[in-house]
Amino acid sequence: RKEVEQDPGPFNVPEGATVAFNCTYSNSASQSFFWYRQDCRKEPKLLMSVYSSGNEDGRFTAQLNRASQYISLLIRDSKLSDSATYLCAVNKAGRDDKIIFGKGTRLHILP
Amino acid sequence: DAMVIQNPRYQVTQFGKPVTLSCSQTLNHNVMYWYQQKSSQAPKLLFHYYDKDFNNEADTPDNFQSRRPNTSFCFLDIRSPGLGDTAMYLCATSPRGQGEQPQHFGDGTRLSIL
Repeated sequence: RKEVEQDPGPFNVPEGATVAFNCTYSNSASQSFFWYRQDCRKEPKLLMSVYSSGNEDGRFTAQLNRASQYISLLIRDSKLSDSATYLCAVNKAGRDDKIIFGKGTRLHILP
Repeated sequence: DAMVIQNPRYQVTQFGKPVTLSCSQTLNHNVMYWYQQKSSQAPKLLFHYYDKDFNNEADTPDNFQSRRPNTSFCFLDIRSPGLGDTAMYLCATSPRGQGEQPQHFGDGTRLSIL
């Protein structure tokens, strides 16, 4: 199983719809989880951290499911400007602790 | 204002010709990272500095070196670039330990090897 795995997509979603995607991780000891947004040919930008209790920021909601070892990102009322690649990042934990990024899920919001 | 600044934004160089990419930060973060990201791939960690302590990833080619002369600056040196080194190179910082906190990225340097 890969350390961090995402469906590459693309997800093609009409404007205004709700879309959700998941990211699975392999290390049950991981404690830190993040969602980043990356626009084409740009750097990743932190979208939100993911807390055990879940968190919400406007139209974006992130959840953590420790039992099944995945995090999710839900986008409500999607906008054209939400089109991007969404990377999840998880700390590897253990002696060689570092953040591992997924390959990202591409999202296209259609007018 | 940009807090992690990378220069240059774009670099084209010849096969085998040494190249240096720079990164500076105004965040006073302890940790600085270099990532390589190829098209449709995840950012791949090359190495990082925790203050002056250098940490190399096991699979980072020897061709890649790094220097951190002070808290604010970090350099990536590619001694003899190959065609396979064409990629976006991302510098990132975080206040402390690797996995605890999110990382702040610079704009990246898009490197093309001809």
